[in-house]
Amino acid sequence: EPEVTQTPSHQVTQMGQEVILRCVPISNHLYFYWYRQILGQKVEFLVSFYNNEISEKSEIFDDQFSVERPDGSNFTLKIRSTKLEDSAMYFCASSLTGGSYNSPLHFGNGTRLTVT
Amino acid sequence: DAKTTQPNSMESNEEEPVHLPCNHSTISGTDYIHWYRQLPSQGPEYVIHGLTSNVNNRMASLAIAEDRKSSTLILHRATLRDAAVYYCILRAILTGGGNKLTFGTGTQLKVEL
Repeated sequence: EPEVTQTPSHQVTQMGQEVILRCVPISNHLYFYWYRQILGQKVEFLVSFYNNEISEKSEIFDDQFSVERPDGSNFTLKIRSTKLEDSAMYFCASSLTGGSYNSPLHFGNGTRLTVT
Repeated sequence: DAKTTQPNSMESNEEEPVHLPCNHSTISGTDYIHWYRQLPSQGPEYVIHGLTSNVNNRMASLAIAEDRKSSTLILHRATLRDAAVYYCILRAILTGGGNKLTFGTGTQLKVEL
């Protein structure tokens, strides 16, 4: 069964550094998402992406965050200047269609980001 | 977004059925009921979804109350591998574009031998 893959599985960075988290969504999916989960807390929506543009974003997704689909297969999340509070597990997800067809989201197993 | 209420935790014995309840009294007519689960150290995983009728798939069954204000996820025979946090989520139908899932705290299911 096709799956969403994320790399790296664990990223350690220093405060103020830029990080790029990478995801390969399922190949025929059209909608892409980033979520994060701080240790012991809820899974939080960050951003959704369709047709090469952001379709929705949360308050968490401020100017320090950006997303890109640089080619036909990758979907990336960039954090420009990391803060300690960005330490979390970041999950990428994709779905075949959007809400009107209610296709499920398929999640990757996440990248654990540790900011020191 | 319409909210859901789930028990914080439930316990089950292996190979017994498990009924995980969810209340969603403010559900609207265009909300689908979705269930996801999150195994330890993994991303959320889709389980099942429905609108009005009961639904079955290889993982579970979803029983939806007639007034749609509550639903129950049924695992027919729990295994140790089913120990996870189970999330009941309402997802609105949109006419276009992806729409997010909003996760709550879910129900932590513990399965014992």
